Amino acid sequence: EAQVTQNPRYLITVTGKKLTVTCSQNMNHEYMSWYRQDPGLGLRQIYYSMNVEVTDKGDVPEGYKVSRKEKRNFPLILESPSPNQTSLYFCASSLFSGGAYNEQFFGPGTRLTVL
Amino acid sequence: KNQVEQSPQSLIILEGKNCTLQCNYTVSPFSNLRWYKQDTGRGPVSLTIMTFSENTKSNGRYTATLDADTKQSSLHITASQLSDSASYICVVSPGYSTLTFGKGTMLLVSP
Repeated sequence: EAQVTQNPRYLITVTGKKLTVTCSQNMNHEYMSWYRQDPGLGLRQIYYSMNVEVTDKGDVPEGYKVSRKEKRNFPLILESPSPNQTSLYFCASSLFSGGAYNEQFFGPGTRLTVL
Repeated sequence: KNQVEQSPQSLIILEGKNCTLQCNYTVSPFSNLRWYKQDTGRGPVSLTIMTFSENTKSNGRYTATLDADTKQSSLHITASQLSDSASYICVVSPGYSTLTFGKGTMLLVSP
């Protein structure tokens, strides 16, 4: 089944403890992206990747890192999480970036709480 | 600045009734506009994608319209069902790497 998977789905951690949220897609998509969703703010892009070894900042990259060493995986790294990073995170992928008829598939989400 | 504005913020309708959600955008250049449905706590799911040359597209009971001249789109839901209760998000793409998301319209379909 074609899908985007994220792990973990739920995570409670403490300030400063490094964590990684994994994202994997099995559709051979070139483009992958991370979003955070907060009440009243909608979805905001954190980082995106146009292809392997190509990553770029989105609208809210501060406090996050990403890597794209393989086409299928795009982990999100929080080196020193803070409470303002408590949010619902979504990974998404599409065949290519934003062009016509380029549907973006979203993962199920990771709910992160930083105490 | 690229922006997508959606209205209303929230809406309650009775099961079986129709409704229309609105989206205005200032994204430039414009490549395509998408409508997504997001159930609470889940990832958004694509309903329609339209380019500037398309002014209507349907997906079952969902019909999206686009007026690229006035930079407006609408999503019409016909004969609503309880399962239509969700957030509906309008997303505009300039055709390259980033998308601009609206904040969504929360729809509640009441029995």
